[in-house]
Amino acid sequence: DGGITQSPKYLFRKEGQNVTLSCEQNLNHDAMYWYRQDPGQGLRLIYYSQIVNDFQKGDIAEGYSVSREKKESFPLTVTSAQKNPTAFYLCASSMQSGLNYGYTFGSGTRLTVV
Amino acid sequence: GIQVEQSPPDLILQEGANSTLRCNFSDSVNNLQWFHQNPWGQLINLFYIPSGTKQNGRLSATTVATERYSLLYISSSQTTDSGVYFCAVAEYGNKLVFGAGTILRVKS
Repeated sequence: DGGITQSPKYLFRKEGQNVTLSCEQNLNHDAMYWYRQDPGQGLRLIYYSQIVNDFQKGDIAEGYSVSREKKESFPLTVTSAQKNPTAFYLCASSMQSGLNYGYTFGSGTRLTVV
Repeated sequence: GIQVEQSPPDLILQEGANSTLRCNFSDSVNNLQWFHQNPWGQLINLFYIPSGTKQNGRLSATTVATERYSLLYISSSQTTDSGVYFCAVAEYGNKLVFGAGTILRVKS
């Protein structure tokens, strides 16, 4: 079945550590996105990529980095510069052309700083 | 940037009741989507509806782009409808801005 796979489901990070969240899709979607969700709030865009080897900052990119070396993959690194990284991270993908730009989301990664 | 407001923020329904959720947005959009987030955090795309009306089973949605609002109708609600409903819009392209959501609780 086509879909988006995020891993791990739960991740614990020590202070000062970088961690990388994985996002893989087999939907042949051009665009991929990373969102952050804090308790009781909506989603905020961290980074997005419309094509391979290209990505743009979203609204809250500070302390995060991404790469898009393959169409299927869009990993997110939470660096030690991100002062409040505890949150639920969601990856999504969509087509860039056609009649339906509907997003497909992964099941998310819950990151906790310990 | 574009602003998205959803109402009501919270809604409690008895099983079998109908409900209407509203999404207002501050500028013209070419992309509007409704999502349901279940209690485990999974987001499911319900509708891609930048304009017009669509129906899918007990759910339907209408977007009046000229008046900058969209409505999500849930009929004959079930306990599995519980969760958070998000409206998200984009002025251009596919970079969505999300509203704060409506928390729906359906009681049996």
